[in-house]
Amino acid sequence: DAKTTQPNSMESNEEEPVHLPCNHSTISGTDYIHWYRQLPSQGPEYVIHGLTSNVNNRMASLAIAEDRKSSTLILHRATLRDAAVYYCILRDGLNDMRFGAGTRLTVKP
Amino acid sequence: ETGVTQTPRHLVMGMTNKKSLKCEQHLGHNAMYWYKQSAKKPLELMFVYNFKEQTENNSVPSRFSPECPNSSHLFLHLHTLQPEDSALYLCASSQAFSGAETQYFGPGTRLLVL
Repeated sequence: DAKTTQPNSMESNEEEPVHLPCNHSTISGTDYIHWYRQLPSQGPEYVIHGLTSNVNNRMASLAIAEDRKSSTLILHRATLRDAAVYYCILRDGLNDMRFGAGTRLTVKP
Repeated sequence: ETGVTQTPRHLVMGMTNKKSLKCEQHLGHNAMYWYKQSAKKPLELMFVYNFKEQTENNSVPSRFSPECPNSSHLFLHLHTLQPEDSALYLCASSQAFSGAETQYFGPGTRLLVL
């Protein structure tokens, strides 16, 4: 399975943008890039996903490098409720969803 | 009720007890999943059910026994557990089992085995 690499933790100030990086240098042509997050004491929740083009939704934006070997989840204005563990996951349409350790985002008021 | 619900939210059991975890999804999905999240470890997939048929068992010990009576309900029967089985058990569902479908998770059952 293609793997992802994320920083263990990041900090942000409230109401500032946050850029969460993910490296996936062994990504294959059929892998989708998915992001989930897990708030404290909750199950993971879907954030966004993409294949090649950048994607936007009400929660976040996903910027995908041209060579697809890395991507960045962008929270445009972090709030305290965005403090969570963010997971970057590659999915190829055949295999299970494999979670890594993710990035723990701390948002400071 | 909407989304994915799990009961109980917390459970304490002895090693000789038998208990069951329940998951219900109100999303009309056809695939359901059990995950285990131990302290300081990534989520681990345990079981997958697609259209009520078990399609995956990730080498889970037999003391964990899943049951899927219909597409909306999933159970995890527990017996003779060990203290190292203490963890957060998460249920999820998706439209179907595929590598691209968004999974929707319940809040989890936090299990403590004494």
